[in-house]
Amino acid sequence: DVKVTQSSRYLVKRTGEKVFLECVQDMDHENMFWYRQDPGLGLRLIYFSYDVKMKEKGDIPEGYSVSREKKERFSLILESASTNQTSMYLCASSPRGGQTSGNTIYFGEGSWLTVV
Amino acid sequence: GDSVTQMEGPVTLSEEAFLTINCTYTATGYPSLFWYVQYPGEGLQLLLKATKADDKGSNKGFEATYRKETTSFHLEKGSVQVSDSAVYFCALSVKNTDKLIFGTGTRLQVFP
Repeated sequence: DVKVTQSSRYLVKRTGEKVFLECVQDMDHENMFWYRQDPGLGLRLIYFSYDVKMKEKGDIPEGYSVSREKKERFSLILESASTNQTSMYLCASSPRGGQTSGNTIYFGEGSWLTVV
Repeated sequence: GDSVTQMEGPVTLSEEAFLTINCTYTATGYPSLFWYVQYPGEGLQLLLKATKADDKGSNKGFEATYRKETTSFHLEKGSVQVSDSAVYFCALSVKNTDKLIFGTGTRLQVFP
């Protein structure tokens, strides 16, 4: 089975702190994603990476950065956490292949971040 | 730009009732379409998918048909169970990328 593991399920951080959310996948997938999930807004893409050291902004990249130094690991960084970044963060991975093959995305269990 | 619109929830049903969750999309070209399900406290998992017009995806008694003429991918199940209570997300793949765009999700609550 594909496994996407997010290191922290629940975090509480203070405003202004630097926050790292870590994600590891064990299926040698090229693509990795960070989504944010909020009630009434669904999932919104923050960043994705299609290869080591490659990254591309999603729909809501402001206030976030990412790092992909190894194929299996994709980190989301909040440089200076703010209360409006309180949310559920979902990491995902998928093989490269494009939409014609109907590739699916595999998700981790999510990280609940509260910024106080 | 590409987008997915889902019916608002929650949808509340009695066990064994018929379920429909509406999903329509706007996209360039012909995307692949997906339904994902999120059970309480868990991440999302793929429920079913369809990659071209008139394809029917099915899994665990759920079905959805890719309708190009109405740009829809409605999720149906003939007889829901309490264990189907979850949030359901419709999604499409963005043309020439590996990205997915999700709808806002529809919460389903099934009571005995």
